[in-house]
Amino acid sequence: KNEVEQSPQNLTAQEGEFITINCSYSVGISALHWLQQHPGGGIVSLFMLSSGKKKHGRLIATINIQEKHSSLHITASHPRDSAVYICAVESGFQKLVFGTGTRLLVSP
Amino acid sequence: DTAVSQTPKYLVTQMGNDKSIKCEQNLGHDTMYWYKQDSKKFLKIMFSYNNKELIINETVPNRFSPKSPDKAHLNLHINSLELGDSAVYFCASSQQRLSSYNEQFFGPGTRLTVL
Repeated sequence: KNEVEQSPQNLTAQEGEFITINCSYSVGISALHWLQQHPGGGIVSLFMLSSGKKKHGRLIATINIQEKHSSLHITASHPRDSAVYICAVESGFQKLVFGTGTRLLVSP
Repeated sequence: DTAVSQTPKYLVTQMGNDKSIKCEQNLGHDTMYWYKQDSKKFLKIMFSYNNKELIINETVPNRFSPKSPDKAHLNLHINSLELGDSAVYFCASSQQRLSSYNEQFFGPGTRLTVL
């Protein structure tokens, strides 16, 4: 079993829908990262958090340390949000352990 | 200006060959990483260097040898390439900060295909 589990693996949405991607982990962490991998392959860091909630534009990330769970929310989804979203936990000296990713497709 | 760059972007080679992938970052970061993304898109860390010193060395065949000539460069040399080495290899960098998180900046990836 992977130390970092994401759900769902695949997600299809209509433009404008509210989207939630979940991440659960089983190890002690110093921080949790949400990454976005574009269809062209590039990887971008969206959030790093170790408690509470962060918001950038239409993206919101939350973490519950006690429950070892994080969620990534996208409000008013748009086709350009179509990508793979990857949860990664920072465990040890800057070592990232990755989830398997959630492939999101937003249709117009 | 590209923050983290990798060359080449694509690499197609025969089994048994030796090849290198180069990575450079112009962000002034002191930590660099190599990750492997397999055909199922699963990312896994291979190596990490901090100020030219190896700090993370995951279970990777010793055919893979990272080299960091200075803290802005981390190259990956692979000997005796095997079919299973086919993957996308990502370089990344971050600045070590003891009191805050370490955002990692990724290169564009190098798609290695071993025939």
